[in-house]
Amino acid sequence: DAMVIQNPRYQVTQFGKPVTLSCSQTLNHNVMYWYQQKSSQAPKLLFHYYDKDFNNEADTPDNFQSRRPNTSFCFLDIRSPGLGDAAMYLCATSRRQGLGMEQFFGPGTRLTVL
Amino acid sequence: GEDVEQSLFLSVREGDSSVINCTYTDSSSTYLYWYKQEPGAGLQLLTYIFSNMDMKQDQRLTVLLNKKDKHLSLRIADTQTGDSAIYFCAESIQQAGSYQLTFGKGTKLSVIP
Repeated sequence: DAMVIQNPRYQVTQFGKPVTLSCSQTLNHNVMYWYQQKSSQAPKLLFHYYDKDFNNEADTPDNFQSRRPNTSFCFLDIRSPGLGDAAMYLCATSRRQGLGMEQFFGPGTRLTVL
Repeated sequence: GEDVEQSLFLSVREGDSSVINCTYTDSSSTYLYWYKQEPGAGLQLLTYIFSNMDMKQDQRLTVLLNKKDKHLSLRIADTQTGDSAIYFCAESIQQAGSYQLTFGKGTKLSVIP
């Protein structure tokens, strides 16, 4: 089945220790998104890639970076995680950009910062 | 702003209908979505409606849209225990040349057997 896969499902890191979250997709979609979802909060868009074009949200902290080495993979790098970065990180894809374009979500990676 | 608001909790008895409400702010033509999130899982698209429609029905799901009041609702008929989840309302908006989803905080639906 075509899908969005996120690894690992649970990630524990130490305060200040860099961490990388991984997302892959078999849908061959052009657009990949990273969202941060804190407890009882709405998912918040961090950035997205349209093919290789990177689009950063204005309020995404510099501590968060992303890489998309090819169509299938996208990585979220947190350079120096703080306690406030503990959250569920959701990856999503869509075939292209546009009104009404459905986004397909992965199961998420829950990040704990000790 | 692009706030999407929804109540946080709803509790219903199995077999009853559930109605989850949402308000949005963008007045331009847009798509509005309902996503379902089960524990430990990602978001699953349930249904969507374009803003020129008033109603959309899909099996047990009915979406009602009141454009004047910017009010969206999701009705689940014959609610089952498997419907227990968090339901997110989302609006598609255009920002800085790209299209994004703005989500509400989610309504946690608890179904009592």
